[in-house]
Amino acid sequence: DVKVTQSSRYLVKRTGEKVFLECVQDMDHENMFWYRQDPGLGLRLIYFSYDVKMKEKGDIPEGYSVSREKKERFSLILESASTNQTSMYLCASSLIHNTEAFFGQGTRLTVV
Amino acid sequence: DQQVKQNSPSLSVQEGRISILNCDYTNSMFDYFLWYKKYPAEGPTFLISISSIKDKNEDGRFTVFLNKSAKHLSLHIVPSQPGDSAVYFCAASAKGSTLGRLYFGRGTQLTVWP
Repeated sequence: DVKVTQSSRYLVKRTGEKVFLECVQDMDHENMFWYRQDPGLGLRLIYFSYDVKMKEKGDIPEGYSVSREKKERFSLILESASTNQTSMYLCASSLIHNTEAFFGQGTRLTVV
Repeated sequence: DQQVKQNSPSLSVQEGRISILNCDYTNSMFDYFLWYKKYPAEGPTFLISISSIKDKNEDGRFTVFLNKSAKHLSLHIVPSQPGDSAVYFCAASAKGSTLGRLYFGRGTQLTVWP
């Protein structure tokens, strides 16, 4: 079974902190994604990566950066956390086009 | 601009009856469609998919129908069970796009009551 693991289920951080969310997948997938889910807004794509060291902005990249140094690991970085970044963060991975993406269990981040 | 739209934020159905969740899309380049199910505090799980070369795909109680001319797809759950209560997301990907990117709708909260 494909496994996508996010490092934390719940996080509480202070405004202005630098926050790292880690994601690891074990199926040698090329693509990895970071989404955030907010009530009424669905899943919004923050960043994605289709290869090591490659990244593409999604729909809402402002205030975030990413790192993919190894194929299995994709990190989301909140450079300076703000309260409007309180959300559920979801990592996903997939093979190439026309295949399903597999999601991690999510990280509920609260910025106070 | 949302390219995948789920216009019903919620649906309530009695156990044993059919649940029909709808999804519309605007991008004619979409050629692969998926449905995901999400429980609170968990990640979405893949449910069923359909390629644009088909108009129907069935898996147990779940059937997805695709109407390309109307740019519409629907998910049928028969019979509905209380454990089906979750948020359902419709998603699509486009041929020729950056590999593997999925575009999601905003979700429909399905509640199945006994």
